Amino acid sequence: NAGVTQTPKFQVLKTGQSMTLQCAQDMNHNSMYWYRQDPGMGLRLIYYSASEGTTDKGEVPNGYNVSRLNKREFSLRLESAAPSQTSVYFCASSEALGRGQPQHFGDGTRLSIL
Amino acid sequence: DQQVKQNSPSLSVQEGRISILNCDYTNSMFDYFLWYKKYPAEGPTFLISISSIKDKNEDGRFTVFLNKSAKHLSLHIVPSQPGDSAVYFCAASAIGTASKLTFGTGTRLQVTL
Repeated sequence: NAGVTQTPKFQVLKTGQSMTLQCAQDMNHNSMYWYRQDPGMGLRLIYYSASEGTTDKGEVPNGYNVSRLNKREFSLRLESAAPSQTSVYFCASSEALGRGQPQHFGDGTRLSIL
Repeated sequence: DQQVKQNSPSLSVQEGRISILNCDYTNSMFDYFLWYKKYPAEGPTFLISISSIKDKNEDGRFTVFLNKSAKHLSLHIVPSQPGDSAVYFCAASAIGTASKLTFGTGTRLQVTL
């Protein structure tokens, strides 16, 4: 049982390039999330999907797009990467939105933009 | 504006002793709090949570205390073990925001032999 799987684990991009970060969960969870973690800061929510077919903006959505491809998969796209998007990106899932639904995280994608 | 603050970036505790990790928050709408543990090169793992209707929640060696009037919560680990060495994040969610979490900056705990 893999839980939440993120690909790739590492990536280096040049400014202006595009990239899609992939996330898949095998726990039959309804809700999925994308976060970024920067040095000296906590995880910040970029986008989330309450259920298949819905997506909503989080705290820092600018520069990103998401697709909830199906119940298992939730991808994050950078259309034109900028150095400010250098970060560690975490995908998470939970059974549903709401209290008492702890989020399960993947191991992250370390993205550097030159 | 950091709504969830963990003012101690690091903490070192001897094995067998109590570890106390602290977290302060400023948003009075927060009513559900969680602690996550993170090892290097891994994602955060849920540890324990507490609702604002309680002031204490216990799970094995881990206890979370909530002081709503002070807007403060703490995580106690007793006894501390070397495997507890990790970064601990406090997180909070506000009424009406479902599972949207606001995280603190984390405290690195080192448990020494």
